[in-house]
Amino acid sequence: SSELTQDPAVSVALGQTVRITCQGDSLRSYYASWYQQKPGQAPVLVIYGKNNRPSGIPDRFSGSSSGNTASLTITGAQAEDEADYYCNSRDSSGNHRVVFGGGTKLTVL
Amino acid sequence: EVQLVESGGGLVQPGGSLRLSCAASGFTFSSYWMSWVRQAPGKGLEWVANIKQDGSEKYYVDSVKGRFTISRDNAKNSLYLQMNSLRAEDTAVYYCARFRANYYFDYWGQGTLVTVSS
Repeated sequence: SSELTQDPAVSVALGQTVRITCQGDSLRSYYASWYQQKPGQAPVLVIYGKNNRPSGIPDRFSGSSSGNTASLTITGAQAEDEADYYCNSRDSSGNHRVVFGGGTKLTVL
Repeated sequence: EVQLVESGGGLVQPGGSLRLSCAASGFTFSSYWMSWVRQAPGKGLEWVANIKQDGSEKYYVDSVKGRFTISRDNAKNSLYLQMNSLRAEDTAVYYCARFRANYYFDYWGQGTLVTVSS
C-alpha cells in the first residue's frame, strides 16, 4: 500500500503565503489532488492534476510537485482559508486504490 | 448543478448491517466512476470503495473487503453501499463522491453519519 504524509498543523499571517506539503512514494508517479474542508462541511476540491483549479476556486490556490512531494500554495491567505486541507493520490501499488494524507489544519493569524 | 444526496445512516449494533444510498442529479450519472469516502469523528478522510460506470469493476480499502459492497443503479441515478458485519471502527460520516480518471473527487455529497455502538 501507500501512505501520504502531511504536517498536522500550519499557520500563516493574514495576507501572507503558505505552503502545505504532502509526501509519499506514489507522488513520484501520480498527481496529488487537494481538498479544503471546513468544520461541519463536506470536502471541496481545490486543486487537481498538474495544477488545475475547479471553477469557483480563487487563483490564490496553486499546486506543484517535485519528486515525492506535492505542495499546495496559498498566496495571500485570507481568513476564510482557515480549514483542514487533505491531499490524495492513487495508491502506488497499481491496484486502483486511493490514498489520502492525514490532513493539515491551517490557521490564519 | 451537480448534486449528491446521501441517506440511510443511523445507529446500528456491532455485527449489524446498513445500506447507504446516494441520489445523484445534475450530470449523466452513468458516465462516471463513483466512490464512497468516510471520515471518523475528529479524524481524516479515508477512501472506502470505487465503482466503474457500468459496475463491472469495484475496488475496496482492505479494512472493508468482504464486508462492504458498492453497487449502482444507473436507471435510478443512484449509488449504494451495503455494509455488513459492522464494527465500532466503521463509525464515520460516509460521503458519496464523483471520481475522476486522475484519481480525484470533484463533487461530494453532504454525508450521512453511521454510528456502530451497542
